Amino acid sequence: DSGVTQTPKHLITATGQRVTLRCSPRSGDLSVYWYQQSLDQGLQFLIHYYNGEERAKGNILERFSAQQFPDLHSELNLSSLELGDSALYFCASSVQTGGTGELFFGEGSRLTVL
Amino acid sequence: ILNVEQSPQSLHVQEGDSTNFTCSFPSSNFYALHWYRWETAKSPEALFVMTLNGDEKKKGRISATLNTKEGYSYLYIKGSQPEDSATYLCASRWNSNSGYALNFGKGTSLLVTP
Repeated sequence: DSGVTQTPKHLITATGQRVTLRCSPRSGDLSVYWYQQSLDQGLQFLIHYYNGEERAKGNILERFSAQQFPDLHSELNLSSLELGDSALYFCASSVQTGGTGELFFGEGSRLTVL
Repeated sequence: ILNVEQSPQSLHVQEGDSTNFTCSFPSSNFYALHWYRWETAKSPEALFVMTLNGDEKKKGRISATLNTKEGYSYLYIKGSQPEDSATYLCASRWNSNSGYALNFGKGTSLLVTP
Protein backbone atom coordinates (compact mmCIF):
# COMPACT_ATOMS: atom_id res chain seq x y z
CA ASP A 1 0.00 0.00 0.00
CA SER A 2 1.62 3.22 -1.22
CA GLY A 3 -0.57 5.44 0.93
CA VAL A 4 -1.98 7.22 -2.15
CA THR A 5 -5.72 6.78 -2.58
CA GLN A 6 -7.54 7.18 -5.87
CA THR A 7 -11.28 7.07 -6.42
CA PRO A 8 -13.16 5.73 -8.21
CA LYS A 9 -11.22 2.61 -9.18
CA HIS A 10 -13.42 2.01 -12.21
CA LEU A 11 -15.72 4.32 -14.11
CA ILE A 12 -17.82 3.71 -17.20
CA THR A 13 -19.47 6.63 -18.89
CA ALA A 14 -20.68 7.84 -22.28
CA THR A 15 -19.14 10.18 -24.82
CA GLY A 16 -19.82 13.82 -24.11
CA GLN A 17 -20.03 13.33 -20.37
CA ARG A 18 -17.88 14.81 -17.61
CA VAL A 19 -16.14 12.92 -14.80
CA THR A 20 -14.00 13.82 -11.81
CA LEU A 21 -11.18 11.63 -10.56
CA ARG A 22 -9.97 12.15 -7.02
CA CYS A 23 -6.57 11.61 -5.45
CA SER A 24 -5.50 11.78 -1.81
CA PRO A 25 -1.70 11.91 -1.50
CA ARG A 26 0.37 10.23 1.17
CA SER A 27 0.32 12.01 4.48
CA GLY A 28 2.88 14.80 4.36
CA ASP A 29 3.38 14.78 0.59
CA LEU A 30 2.86 18.19 -0.98
CA SER A 31 3.34 17.21 -4.64
CA VAL A 32 0.70 15.51 -6.75
CA TYR A 33 1.23 14.29 -10.30
CA TRP A 34 -1.34 13.02 -12.78
CA TYR A 35 -0.52 10.54 -15.54
CA GLN A 36 -2.56 8.90 -18.27
CA GLN A 37 -1.85 5.41 -19.55
CA SER A 38 -3.61 4.43 -22.77
CA LEU A 39 -3.27 1.18 -24.69
CA ASP A 40 0.27 0.71 -26.04
CA GLN A 41 1.34 4.01 -24.54
CA GLY A 42 3.60 4.65 -21.61
CA LEU A 43 2.72 6.90 -18.73
CA GLN A 44 1.88 10.27 -20.26
CA PHE A 45 2.50 13.18 -17.92
CA LEU A 46 -0.51 15.44 -17.55
CA ILE A 47 0.10 17.91 -14.75
CA HIS A 48 1.96 18.49 -11.48
CA TYR A 49 0.81 20.45 -8.44
CA TYR A 50 2.80 21.42 -5.39
CA ASN A 51 1.08 22.73 -2.29
CA GLY A 52 -1.88 23.97 -4.27
CA GLU A 53 0.04 25.55 -7.13
CA GLU A 54 0.47 24.24 -10.65
CA ARG A 55 4.17 23.54 -11.25
CA ALA A 56 4.36 21.77 -14.59
CA LYS A 57 2.06 20.92 -17.44
CA GLY A 58 2.36 18.15 -19.99
CA ASN A 59 0.19 17.25 -22.94
CA ILE A 60 -3.02 17.85 -21.06
CA LEU A 61 -6.01 18.51 -23.28
CA GLU A 62 -8.00 21.72 -22.88
CA ARG A 63 -11.01 19.54 -22.02
CA PHE A 64 -9.10 18.35 -18.94
CA SER A 65 -8.43 20.41 -15.85
CA ALA A 66 -7.04 19.75 -12.41
CA GLN A 67 -6.60 21.41 -9.08
CA GLN A 68 -5.09 20.75 -5.69
CA PHE A 69 -7.08 21.80 -2.66
CA PRO A 70 -5.87 23.24 0.68
CA ASP A 71 -6.08 19.78 2.25
CA LEU A 72 -3.72 18.66 -0.55
CA HIS A 73 -6.09 16.27 -2.25
CA SER A 74 -6.33 16.72 -5.99
CA GLU A 75 -9.03 16.30 -8.59
CA LEU A 76 -8.72 15.72 -12.32
CA ASN A 77 -11.76 16.82 -14.28
CA LEU A 78 -12.34 15.35 -17.72
CA SER A 79 -15.11 16.89 -19.81
CA SER A 80 -16.69 16.36 -23.25
CA LEU A 81 -15.36 12.84 -23.06
CA GLU A 82 -14.35 11.03 -26.22
CA LEU A 83 -13.72 7.34 -26.87
CA GLY A 84 -9.99 8.03 -26.94
CA ASP A 85 -10.05 9.27 -23.37
CA SER A 86 -10.52 5.70 -22.18
CA ALA A 87 -7.41 5.00 -20.15
CA LEU A 88 -5.94 4.28 -16.75
CA TYR A 89 -5.33 7.52 -14.89
CA PHE A 90 -2.68 7.44 -12.19
CA CYS A 91 -2.05 9.88 -9.44
CA ALA A 92 1.30 9.93 -7.69
CA SER A 93 2.58 11.94 -4.76
CA SER A 94 5.98 13.00 -3.57
CA VAL A 95 7.24 14.91 -0.59
CA GLN A 96 9.25 17.25 -2.81
CA THR A 97 8.68 19.35 -5.88
CA GLY A 98 12.24 19.34 -7.19
CA GLY A 99 12.19 15.93 -8.84
CA THR A 100 14.65 14.20 -6.53
CA GLY A 101 11.96 12.55 -4.45
CA GLU A 102 10.53 9.23 -5.55
CA LEU A 103 6.91 9.08 -6.61
CA PHE A 104 4.35 6.95 -4.78
CA PHE A 105 1.59 5.83 -7.10
CA GLY A 106 -2.05 5.16 -6.40
CA GLU A 107 -3.78 2.13 -7.87
CA GLY A 108 -5.24 4.17 -10.69
CA SER A 109 -8.70 5.01 -11.94
CA ARG A 110 -9.75 3.08 -15.02
CA LEU A 111 -12.02 5.15 -17.21
CA THR A 112 -14.03 3.55 -19.99
CA VAL A 113 -15.88 5.84 -22.39
CA LEU A 114 -18.56 4.11 -24.47
CA ILE B 1 8.45 17.74 -25.57
CA LEU B 2 11.68 15.75 -25.64
CA ASN B 3 11.44 12.01 -25.21
CA VAL B 4 12.70 9.37 -22.84
CA GLU B 5 13.53 6.21 -24.76
CA GLN B 6 13.95 2.73 -23.33
CA SER B 7 15.39 -0.38 -24.93
CA PRO B 8 14.75 -3.14 -25.49
CA GLN B 9 10.96 -2.97 -25.48
CA SER B 10 10.79 -6.50 -24.10
CA LEU B 11 13.18 -9.15 -22.90
CA HIS B 12 12.84 -12.83 -22.10
CA VAL B 13 15.58 -14.47 -20.05
CA GLN B 14 16.11 -17.70 -18.17
CA GLU B 15 16.31 -17.85 -14.40
CA GLY B 16 19.85 -17.15 -13.31
CA ASP B 17 20.73 -14.99 -16.33
CA SER B 18 21.97 -11.47 -15.76
CA THR B 19 20.46 -8.75 -17.89
CA ASN B 20 20.48 -5.02 -18.46
CA PHE B 21 18.31 -2.36 -20.07
CA THR B 22 18.96 1.14 -21.31
CA CYS B 23 17.22 4.44 -20.73
CA SER B 24 18.11 7.42 -22.93
CA PHE B 25 17.04 10.92 -22.02
CA PRO B 26 17.75 14.52 -23.03
CA SER B 27 21.03 15.56 -21.41
CA SER B 28 20.40 19.30 -21.50
CA ASN B 29 18.78 20.87 -18.41
CA PHE B 30 18.89 17.45 -16.72
CA TYR B 31 17.66 17.32 -13.16
CA ALA B 32 16.96 13.72 -12.08
CA LEU B 33 16.54 10.18 -13.36
CA HIS B 34 14.12 7.71 -11.78
CA TRP B 35 13.71 3.94 -12.20
CA TYR B 36 10.45 2.19 -11.32
CA ARG B 37 9.34 -1.42 -11.30
CA TRP B 38 5.77 -2.10 -12.41
CA GLU B 39 4.24 -5.51 -11.82
CA THR B 40 1.05 -6.55 -13.57
CA ALA B 41 -2.13 -5.42 -11.78
CA LYS B 42 -0.09 -3.27 -9.37
CA SER B 43 1.19 0.30 -9.33
CA PRO B 44 4.72 1.37 -10.22
CA GLU B 45 7.15 1.30 -7.31
CA ALA B 46 10.35 3.30 -7.12
CA LEU B 47 13.71 1.55 -7.38
CA PHE B 48 16.16 4.42 -7.65
CA VAL B 49 16.38 8.18 -8.01
CA MET B 50 19.69 9.47 -9.30
CA THR B 51 20.89 12.99 -9.91
CA LEU B 52 24.68 13.05 -10.22
CA ASN B 53 26.75 12.09 -13.25
CA GLY B 54 28.52 8.81 -12.54
CA ASP B 55 26.04 7.91 -9.82
CA GLU B 56 25.64 4.20 -9.14
CA LYS B 57 22.92 2.76 -6.94
CA LYS B 58 22.22 -0.79 -5.81
CA LYS B 59 19.31 -2.60 -4.19
CA GLY B 60 19.89 -6.31 -3.76
CA ARG B 61 20.52 -7.84 -7.18
CA ILE B 62 19.44 -4.69 -9.02
CA SER B 63 21.76 -1.80 -9.74
CA ALA B 64 21.73 1.30 -11.92
CA THR B 65 24.24 3.74 -13.36
CA LEU B 66 23.84 7.26 -14.68
CA ASN B 67 25.64 9.26 -17.36
CA THR B 68 24.13 12.73 -17.52
CA LYS B 69 26.63 14.09 -20.05
CA GLU B 70 25.60 11.65 -22.75
CA GLY B 71 22.06 11.14 -21.48
CA TYR B 72 21.75 7.49 -20.59
CA SER B 73 21.22 5.18 -17.64
CA TYR B 74 21.59 1.42 -17.37
CA LEU B 75 19.63 -0.89 -15.09
CA TYR B 76 21.26 -4.23 -14.30
CA ILE B 77 19.70 -7.32 -12.79
CA LYS B 78 22.11 -9.99 -11.62
CA GLY B 79 20.94 -13.61 -11.50
CA SER B 80 17.35 -12.93 -12.65
CA GLN B 81 14.56 -14.67 -10.79
CA PRO B 82 10.95 -15.27 -11.92
CA GLU B 83 9.79 -12.70 -9.37
CA ASP B 84 11.81 -10.07 -11.26
CA SER B 85 9.30 -10.34 -14.11
CA ALA B 86 7.81 -6.88 -14.47
CA THR B 87 7.95 -3.76 -16.60
CA TYR B 88 10.84 -1.48 -15.70
CA LEU B 89 10.21 2.21 -16.28
CA CYS B 90 12.62 5.06 -16.30
CA ALA B 91 11.65 8.70 -16.00
CA SER B 92 13.69 11.83 -16.46
CA ARG B 93 13.12 15.26 -15.13
CA TRP B 94 14.44 18.36 -16.83
CA ASN B 95 13.69 22.03 -16.63
CA SER B 96 11.61 23.17 -19.56
CA ASN B 97 9.28 26.04 -20.35
CA SER B 98 6.46 23.97 -18.88
CA GLY B 99 8.27 23.47 -15.59
CA TYR B 100 9.76 20.42 -13.93
CA ALA B 101 7.88 17.64 -15.72
CA LEU B 102 8.78 14.05 -14.89
CA ASN B 103 8.51 12.18 -18.18
CA PHE B 104 8.44 8.41 -18.45
CA GLY B 105 9.67 6.08 -21.14
CA LYS B 106 7.44 3.26 -22.39
CA GLY B 107 9.30 0.71 -20.32
CA THR B 108 11.13 -2.58 -20.79
CA SER B 109 8.98 -5.64 -20.15
CA LEU B 110 11.05 -8.41 -18.57
CA LEU B 111 9.94 -12.04 -18.41
CA VAL B 112 12.07 -14.47 -16.42
CA THR B 113 11.22 -18.13 -16.88
CA PRO B 114 12.38 -20.98 -14.62
